[in-house]
Amino acid sequence: QQQVKQSPQSLIVQKGGISIINCAYENTAFDYFPWYQQFPGKGPALLIAIRPDVSEKKEGRFTISFNKSAKQFSLHIMDSQPGDSATYFCAARGSSGGSNYKLTFGKGTLLTVNP
Amino acid sequence: DTEVTQTPKHLVMGMTNKKSLKCEQHMGHRAMYWYKQKAKKPPELMFVYSYEKLSINESVPSRFSPECPNSSLLNLHLHALQPEDSALYLCASSQWGGIGNQPQHFGDGTRLSIL
Repeated sequence: QQQVKQSPQSLIVQKGGISIINCAYENTAFDYFPWYQQFPGKGPALLIAIRPDVSEKKEGRFTISFNKSAKQFSLHIMDSQPGDSATYFCAARGSSGGSNYKLTFGKGTLLTVNP
Repeated sequence: DTEVTQTPKHLVMGMTNKKSLKCEQHMGHRAMYWYKQKAKKPPELMFVYSYEKLSINESVPSRFSPECPNSSLLNLHLHALQPEDSALYLCASSQWGGIGNQPQHFGDGTRLSIL
């Protein structure tokens, strides 16, 4: 059973536009939500992460919005650039006991930013 | 450049061969992970080591044998693999314990092909 649902599967955006990727989770024990960016031939790189005690976190052009009651979170990429073209994975992790080791990933979104 | 180094970058082996994948980190992290990633899929957790002891085995077949010789090194020994084991094998590391905010840092992986 997939515990983190990610959409869309793929996304095409024009340069300068806003890219939005959404994730929803079911397990209320999750309390750490990172986003990873992965380029072809590379490992996933941590982009930005949030805990549910805040509703938004911004780092440069990247913003996470978090809705705890809806159990949803999203990544917004402002002023999207061709260099942002990559696969993005949302993830979630619990914080208690042994569950603080295991990341549950969404299925990924392939973002293409056209010049 | 990632702070988790994996060697080799590419490996081609026959089904009867024995080979090893290596991972090294010098961030002082006490948790290390092996993941398997198939094309266009998210990483799947295989093993977790905490303080050089195997904490989690996600029901991985015995043809994969992990080893953690010290706090900086993680090996994955391979024997009698099947063609379906062809994938990108990722190593990651993180702090361990406490509140689960510790991000996992990934290496760039070993691309494994089984003939």
